[in-house]
Amino acid sequence: GQQVMQIPQYQHVQEGEDFTTYCNSSTTLSNIQWYKQRPGGHPVFLIQLVKSGEVKKQKRLTFQFGEAKKNSSLHITATQTTDVGTYFCAGLGSSNTGKLIFGQGTTLQVKP
Amino acid sequence: AAGVIQSPRHLIKEKRETATLKCYPIPRHDTVYWYQQGPGQDPQFLISFYEKMQSDKGSIPDRFSAQQFSDYHSELNMSSLELGDSALYFCASSLRGSRYEQYFGPGTRLTVT
Repeated sequence: GQQVMQIPQYQHVQEGEDFTTYCNSSTTLSNIQWYKQRPGGHPVFLIQLVKSGEVKKQKRLTFQFGEAKKNSSLHITATQTTDVGTYFCAGLGSSNTGKLIFGQGTTLQVKP
Repeated sequence: AAGVIQSPRHLIKEKRETATLKCYPIPRHDTVYWYQQGPGQDPQFLISFYEKMQSDKGSIPDRFSAQQFSDYHSELNMSSLELGDSALYFCASSLRGSRYEQYFGPGTRLTVT
């Protein structure tokens, strides 16, 4: 079945350092979404990417969708302690019903 | 802005008991999803409804059932609970025209003892 792999599983950075998480799908995706989940919280929608090669920015966050629409990345510049949490990518399932296939998530810890 | 409401927030049940989780989607959202998230795991899709009809099904055990009512709220019914059912259960809602960007509720933490 459709799978979405995400690496790394954990990342510890010093405040001010950059952070990147990578997502790869076994199949071509119609779109990819990114969510952030704070400890004890629920996933919060960040962004969705639809077009091949698309790049979107939200302040210090940069999201990319690969040309083949099978991979994506999230890059955070100059991390802050407020960036702590688990970042999930999620691909839209092939059934096109809105079913999301989540990656395993990358948990980011930021040392002040 | 209104968010997805889930109740109860916490639930403790014993093995073989039943549980009912409720979800109230964001007003005017036409699709509801249920996800199960174990400790340290990613959310796993269980089932979804579009305009009160089941639209997709994932890894939902036969012991579980769900429905969406005329007012668009949804309920997840879980019977013959097992220890392994202990998890966070999230409901999410979306508007089909938004390419399925999903808004998650705060979740129900189910503990089976």
